[in-house]
Amino acid sequence: AQSVTQPDIHITVSEGASLELRCNYSYGATPYLFWYVQSPGQGLQLLLKYFSGDTLVQGIKGFEAEFKRSQSSFNLRKPSVHWSDAAEYFCAVGPAWGGYNKLIFGAGTRLAVHP
Amino acid sequence: NAGVTQTPKFQVLKTGQSMTLQCAQDMNHEYMSWYRQDPGMGLRLIHYSVGAGITDQGEVPNGYNVSRSTTEDFPLRLLSAAPSQTSVYFCASSQDRANTGELFFGEGSRLTVL
Repeated sequence: AQSVTQPDIHITVSEGASLELRCNYSYGATPYLFWYVQSPGQGLQLLLKYFSGDTLVQGIKGFEAEFKRSQSSFNLRKPSVHWSDAAEYFCAVGPAWGGYNKLIFGAGTRLAVHP
Repeated sequence: NAGVTQTPKFQVLKTGQSMTLQCAQDMNHEYMSWYRQDPGMGLRLIHYSVGAGITDQGEVPNGYNVSRSTTEDFPLRLLSAAPSQTSVYFCASSQDRANTGELFFGEGSRLTVL
């Protein structure tokens, strides 16, 4: 079955610390991979996406993610977290050149940032 | 720059009541969709549309109707609300039919069914 797993429901980090949010997927075909962020009271916003090529992709707000095919993972990282990064983060996977209706979202990881 | 606008932001209904969640986008996007967000389950697709006059079901369509008479608007109708429909609803749109671009989301509508 196709699925996306975000193993960590809640993560708390101190401001300035590094961050890694995990995403594992089970997908039969070549996947397109996405990370979205949902700030409090807001809709989701695209952070970054991976289609092919360089397995390390850069996104907005200083985030990056690394695609590891052998591990079926697409973990999100940031070297130094800011208080404004407190939000919920969603990993999503879909078929290459598929429709948005085929996107599968993970359950999300809620990030809290301590000053 | 409005983007995707959802109304209302909050609504409380009694079981059996009907209502419509409104969604409008001003970006001339062909693709529009409705998701519901429930704790621990991420976003699940309810209905979607690839253009005016074209709609289709997503993963969890039961209890919901949609129509797409214009490019801009994509309302979601609950004909007879049930407590199981208590959720946060998001409308999203994209200029791309294929998932190579970005989905733009509204701010959400929180619905409680008593």
